[in-house]
This record gives sequence, structure tokens and C-alpha cells, in this order.
Amino acid sequence: NAGVMQNPRHLVRRRGQEARLRCSPMKGHSHVYWYRQLPEEGLKFMVYLQKENIIDESGMPKERFSAEFPKEGPSILRIQQVVRGDSAAYFCASSPVPGQGIDGNTIYFGEGSWLTVV
Amino acid sequence: KNEVEQSPQNLTAQEGEFITINCSYSVGISALHWLQQHPGGGIVSLFMLSSGKKKHGRLIATINIQEKHSSLHITASHPRDSAVYICAVRPYSGGGADGLTFGKGTHLIIQP
Repeated sequence: NAGVMQNPRHLVRRRGQEARLRCSPMKGHSHVYWYRQLPEEGLKFMVYLQKENIIDESGMPKERFSAEFPKEGPSILRIQQVVRGDSAAYFCASSPVPGQGIDGNTIYFGEGSWLTVV
Repeated sequence: KNEVEQSPQNLTAQEGEFITINCSYSVGISALHWLQQHPGGGIVSLFMLSSGKKKHGRLIATINIQEKHSSLHITASHPRDSAVYICAVRPYSGGGADGLTFGKGTHLIIQP
């Protein structure tokens, strides 16, 4: 679990500003997932990425939110023109290349990034 | 109706008690995870199950694929077990989301 690094841990933004959250997956993991946890609610899947590819973004709001996982560097979740409703904890997780074996389903979470919009 | 339902939502117990947290799901899955989240903290994966039973220390997780049900047990509970326990399933992808579907969590408080 300690291998998935997220930063910043806490971020405060004013309404209308941009928020950028970064995630470095565990070494050797090429699959990254972003989840959002709203206050008093469960975690919700947002987007699933591989290097340079968005595999599934069905959980991501259509506007203001974007994600990337470049060939070099961390995955970035970007929220433009933040609103109060974006205040939440954003978790990144990574997994090895999924295969037929159970190990392919192992998933590791980062410590989360807490975004507060004021 | 959520695809993943946990019960109870909140549980307060005395130190030493045997704890059971339940998870029911309504979709076909390839794996089920039990996760632990401490207040203000990150998420730790406790177990990943696709069948049967797993044990780690005082924690035991079971799954019944036919009944679409899993349980997490804590024996000899301790105040440091106080946390939110989250059940998450990995649905068969079939071209859809490849992420996890989560329950809302069970808030467990163990009193000394």
C-alpha cells in the first residue's frame, strides 16, 4: 500500500480555481484508477487509465474534470473551475497488468488527496 | 438499490467482542475486496476474495459466490480496530467500467 503516492494530501482552492491531484502508482504497475469519496458517501469510481490511454472514464463528470497518465511522470486528475461540491477525498489506486490469475486483481490504494473548495 | 449493500452501517462494541460485518451484492463479480479506512486516512486492502475463506491474524473473510454474500469477522476486537470497513466488488467488465463498485462502509467503534 505504501507504494502508491498521492500529492498533495490536502489542497484548498477557491471557487473557480483549478485543482491538480497527482498519483504515482506502485513500481511496475501500469494501471491507475481514480475514485472520489464525497462526505458521508461511499467511494465512487471515476476513471481507469493505462499509460497514455484512458480506458474507461464512465464515472467522471463530463465537464471540468479530466485525467491523464503520460508516458513519463505521474497520473494527474485535473478539476477546472472548482465548485464547493467538488470538495471530497480523491483516491488513486494502481494494479499490475490484469491477467487470468487472481494476482491480476490485486489493487493498492494511495493515502488520498483531500480537496476543500472555499 | 445499490449494487453493494453493507450491514450494519454503524456498529459499536466492547473490546474483546466478536464482530461480523456483512456485504451483499447483486452483480456477477470476479473478485471482492475488504478495505479498511481509518479517520482522515488512506485505505488499506485487507482481503481480496474470489471464493472460500481467508484469514489474516484476527481477521477472517468469507465469500459465498452462489448467494452473492461475503462476511468480515474480527475476533477479540480491540479499540485499534475502530475504522470504516468497506466492501468492494469487481464486476465482470464486459466492456464496462474496470474499476471497483463500493459499499458505503460500516463504521465500527470498539470501546475499551
